[in-house]
Amino acid sequence: DAGVIQSPRHEVTEMGQEVTLRCKPISGHNSLFWYRQTMMRGLELLIYFNNNVPIDDSGMPEDRFSAKMPNASFSTLKIQPSEPRDSAVYFCASSHGQGPTYEQYFGPGTRLTVT
Amino acid sequence: DQQVKQNSPSLSVQEGRISILNCDYTNSMFDYFLWYKKYPAEGPTFLISISSIKDKNEDGRFTVFLNKSAKHLSLHIVPSQPGDSAVYFCAASDSGGGADGLTFGKGTHLIIQP
Repeated sequence: DAGVIQSPRHEVTEMGQEVTLRCKPISGHNSLFWYRQTMMRGLELLIYFNNNVPIDDSGMPEDRFSAKMPNASFSTLKIQPSEPRDSAVYFCASSHGQGPTYEQYFGPGTRLTVT
Repeated sequence: DQQVKQNSPSLSVQEGRISILNCDYTNSMFDYFLWYKKYPAEGPTFLISISSIKDKNEDGRFTVFLNKSAKHLSLHIVPSQPGDSAVYFCAASDSGGGADGLTFGKGTHLIIQP
């Protein structure tokens, strides 16, 4: 398996522009997670989906952030409009979501720079 | 308010010796704990986990210890190898290991010196 795929790997954009990050989870996994990593706050959970349904979006910082999962093999995280403080590395992760033990498999991340 | 804390941003250990990475948590509802390892420009990769019903879990050179009364866990790596140089994240879940999101610490950068 190719693992979790994220695109683009790097994104540089100007303040006010719309940014869309993409994620393809591991086939067969039914849970998908979006995390953000910054120096100040470390790795934070933004939102996660089970069976394509958003379960908890309490980590989404503002209404400028939105995420969708239209099918089991694709998810997007959109920022509109983007701001310099959104600069971070955004990770997507997936898991098969079955207890009592599970692992989340992370993608390589998208490094976003907003100028 | 950090619910998972890794108070050592970095740790330097000589090759062949034991590396001990520490993690503290404040949320008593956490019942499952994981350690992830991260190399530069890569996503975190799962290393080892422990359920709150246990106090120790071992996998090869890696052992995780859990002290629930102290809300403390630690990762022991012995012997340490150069390839162990990476950032280590402690993470916790309050869902019994289900499919919920994880709460991460800020990480400890482990440097193995030859």
